[in-house]
Amino acid sequence: AQSVSQHNHHVILSEAASLELGCNYSYGGTVNLFWYVQYPGQHLQLLLKYFSGDPLVKGIKGFEAEFIKSKFSFNLRKPSVQWSDTAEYFCAVNARSGGYNKLIFGAGTRLAVHP
Amino acid sequence: SAVISQKPSRDICQRGTSLTIQCQVDSQVTMMFWYRQQPGQSLTLIATANQGSEATYESGFVIDKFPISRPNLTFSTLTVSNMSPEDSSIYLCSVKFVALPQNIQYFGAGTRLSVL
Repeated sequence: AQSVSQHNHHVILSEAASLELGCNYSYGGTVNLFWYVQYPGQHLQLLLKYFSGDPLVKGIKGFEAEFIKSKFSFNLRKPSVQWSDTAEYFCAVNARSGGYNKLIFGAGTRLAVHP
Repeated sequence: SAVISQKPSRDICQRGTSLTIQCQVDSQVTMMFWYRQQPGQSLTLIATANQGSEATYESGFVIDKFPISRPNLTFSTLTVSNMSPEDSSIYLCSVKFVALPQNIQYFGAGTRLSVL
């Protein structure tokens, strides 16, 4: 069965530190990849997506992610985090299952950025 | 931008009762989904709401417990039946819009349910 693994459940950083959140998926076919973010008290928002083409994708608020097909990975990065990046981050894969496309989420990574 | 409205935003219910959650979208959508996010956990797909026909449920979820309706393209309801404290979760409506890239799902603000 398809699955998504996020390596870190909790990450604590100081402002200006660099961020990398790991995401690996298990699915052998064509996938669409996403990172969603959920700020405290807010609803889930799309941060960035990969469908095809350049494996390095840029999203909102300075985030980027790199799709490495050989490693089944889609890690999220930001060179310098801010306090306002405190949120929960979810990696998700849209894969075909049971005859239709299904969005499968990782367990999430809770990021706390200290000023 | 398109809006996904969920009602109620939160509720506290007694065990054994049922709660119906509504999802209204202001633009035409191709697909509507219902997810559950249990405390401290990720999102789990409950079912795909199909217009005019029975919903497609994921493994572990059944129609008797989570009946779903979708009478038209922009509205769906999820009922959590015969609730127990284990049903305490956030329930989220998610859609794919006709006018936007087809493989992106957007989410409502969720309904935070507590069962006593």
